[in-house]
Amino acid sequence: AQSVTQLGSHVSVSEGALVLLRCNYSSSVPPYLFWYVQYPNQGLQLLLKYTSAATLVKGINGFEAEFKKSETSFHLTKPSAHMSDAAEYFCAVSDGHSSASKIIFGSGTRLSIRP
Amino acid sequence: DAGVIQSPRHEVTEMGQEVTLRCKPISGHNSLFWYRQTMMRGLELLIYFNNNVPIDDSGMPEDRFSAKMPNASFSTLKIQPSEPRDSAVYFCASSLMTSGGEQFFGPGTRLTVL
Repeated sequence: AQSVTQLGSHVSVSEGALVLLRCNYSSSVPPYLFWYVQYPNQGLQLLLKYTSAATLVKGINGFEAEFKKSETSFHLTKPSAHMSDAAEYFCAVSDGHSSASKIIFGSGTRLSIRP
Repeated sequence: DAGVIQSPRHEVTEMGQEVTLRCKPISGHNSLFWYRQTMMRGLELLIYFNNNVPIDDSGMPEDRFSAKMPNASFSTLKIQPSEPRDSAVYFCASSLMTSGGEQFFGPGTRLTVL
């Protein structure tokens, strides 16, 4: 069975500071991993995805994530936070291999940016 | 591409009434997912379809909930009768299996049951 754990339901950083959102996964098969972002009153948007190619994945809005198999982690980072980054972030895992794959979402991390 | 389309965007109804939420997936996508999001429970997968066939409805909370996908371009989620605890944002998402499972979400329907 697959699962995702996001450490920290709420993270607050200063504008211009490093953003680090943590995600650990569990999967019995090589996983596909995702980070989604949800802005207030909107649906989820894909930030980036890992599908067994390069372990460092670059996404939109300056975010990136590194797949570390030995640590079963897929942490999301951004070097310099911007006020517009305030949102809820979801880590997710899928096996992506079956004919009807579903995604297992984490519980989400709310990112706040201090001026 | 228009993306995933959901209607209505907002629905306010009274307890006991029937509610029907609609979704049009992205053209060509072969999987469709219905989610519910609340502050208390977060994002919950209710049911998903592959090639118009329901694959897993274990997330449907009660028999009051039903979902259909009569064709590749349309799906409905029905609640009958509705209850105040059904108040939530309901999302529809679609995906193409060959894309590695990436799902594209609609804007959601905010349901309020009084």
